[in-house]
Amino acid sequence: NAGVTQTPKFQVLKTGQSMTLQCAQDMNHNSMYWYRQDPGMGLRLIYYSASEGTTDKGEVPNGYNVSRLNKREFSLRLESAAPSQTSVYFCASSEALTGEETQYFGPGTRLLVL
Amino acid sequence: GENVEQHPSTLSVQEGDSAVIKCTYSDSASNYFPWYKQELGKRPQLIIDIRSNVGEKKDQRIAVTLNKTAKHFSLHITETQPEDSAVYFCAASKGGSQGNLIFGKGTKLSVKP
Repeated sequence: NAGVTQTPKFQVLKTGQSMTLQCAQDMNHNSMYWYRQDPGMGLRLIYYSASEGTTDKGEVPNGYNVSRLNKREFSLRLESAAPSQTSVYFCASSEALTGEETQYFGPGTRLLVL
Repeated sequence: GENVEQHPSTLSVQEGDSAVIKCTYSDSASNYFPWYKQELGKRPQLIIDIRSNVGEKKDQRIAVTLNKTAKHFSLHITETQPEDSAVYFCAASKGGSQGNLIFGKGTKLSVKP
């Protein structure tokens, strides 16, 4: 099992460009998450998907959109990138959104917006 | 809103000493408290977790304690080794039906040989 995978590993964008970060899991998990990690700020939830077909905003959703393509895949889209979106983005998954489920993280995508 | 405070932000210990990291949370409905370890350039990985019906849990050199009345929980690492050097994050589940995790800002632990 690969667990949670993310593409790309690293990306440089210019302000105003768009891109989609891809995430996939092979653990048959129902719930998936997108976090951003900034120095000294911990992990902040952008969006999550409790189950296939549903998505909800987290703590910092502005400037992002998500798609739960199927049970395996959950993508994060930046429509018009801004320097403030320079960060490391982690996707995670868990069996369910019960509040007591281990979240498994992907390797991360390092994004630099110039 | 819900909040998780984590202290200290940095911690330096000698190899073989113990390390303690403390977290407090604000949501009285939180009932799940995981700890993640993140090595430089790597993904966060779960090292131990505790649920609200348990006061303490141990796994070899790692232990977590929970005081629900005071709304705080702590990570204890004994006999520290250089490979314990990493950033450690505590988290608390968000109460109610959502079940998301709220993370602390992290503690950078350095173990000096």
